[in-house]
Amino acid sequence: DQQVKQNSPSLSVQEGRISILNCDYTNSMFDYFLWYKKYPAEGPTFLISISSIKDKNEDGRFTVFLNKSAKHLSLHIVPSQPGDSAVYFCAASARGTSGTYKYIFGTGTRLKVLA
Amino acid sequence: NAGVTQTPKFQVLKTGQSMTLQCAQDMNHEYMSWYRQDPGMGLRLIHYSVGAGITDQGEVPNGYNVSRSTTEDFPLRLLSAAPSQTSVYFCASSYVLDPYSYNEQFFGPGTRLTVL
Repeated sequence: DQQVKQNSPSLSVQEGRISILNCDYTNSMFDYFLWYKKYPAEGPTFLISISSIKDKNEDGRFTVFLNKSAKHLSLHIVPSQPGDSAVYFCAASARGTSGTYKYIFGTGTRLKVLA
Repeated sequence: NAGVTQTPKFQVLKTGQSMTLQCAQDMNHEYMSWYRQDPGMGLRLIHYSVGAGITDQGEVPNGYNVSRSTTEDFPLRLLSAAPSQTSVYFCASSYVLDPYSYNEQFFGPGTRLTVL
């Protein structure tokens, strides 16, 4: 049962336009949400995070929005650049059965920014 | 700092063989974890550890064993490999997670495993 879902496997956007990547989750007990970016043949790298008590966090061209009532978060990239072409994963931190915390990742969205 | 290192980079096994995927980090991170990445399935957590001697199961633990005898190392063992374990495996580390903050996870470059 996938607790973190990214329903769009791929997205193409023109350079300079806005990219919007979406993520839905089922567990209302998640404390933090994060976005990771992954290039081929490399490990994922951290991009931006948001606490469950916030609704927006901004870092340069990247903004993450959280809608807790809808259990939905989104990543906005403005303006999009060709170097942003990668797979983007959303992730959530949650308490495991033993009381320790862990990260749960989504299925990923492949973003292609067209020059 | 080397960060998170994984060996080997590539491995081909026959069904039923055993092997250990190695993971090491030099950032003194307490938290270490193993994920597998499969098409359409994203990154799925296999096992994780919050310190030496403490491990816990993730989403897909069956067929894998872990132990954590030192802070630096977190090996993943496949006792009897199956074709369903063909995947790319990533190890990650961070400072310990808690409900009041997040800690950035640093990922290794991955091990591509094929089980025939």
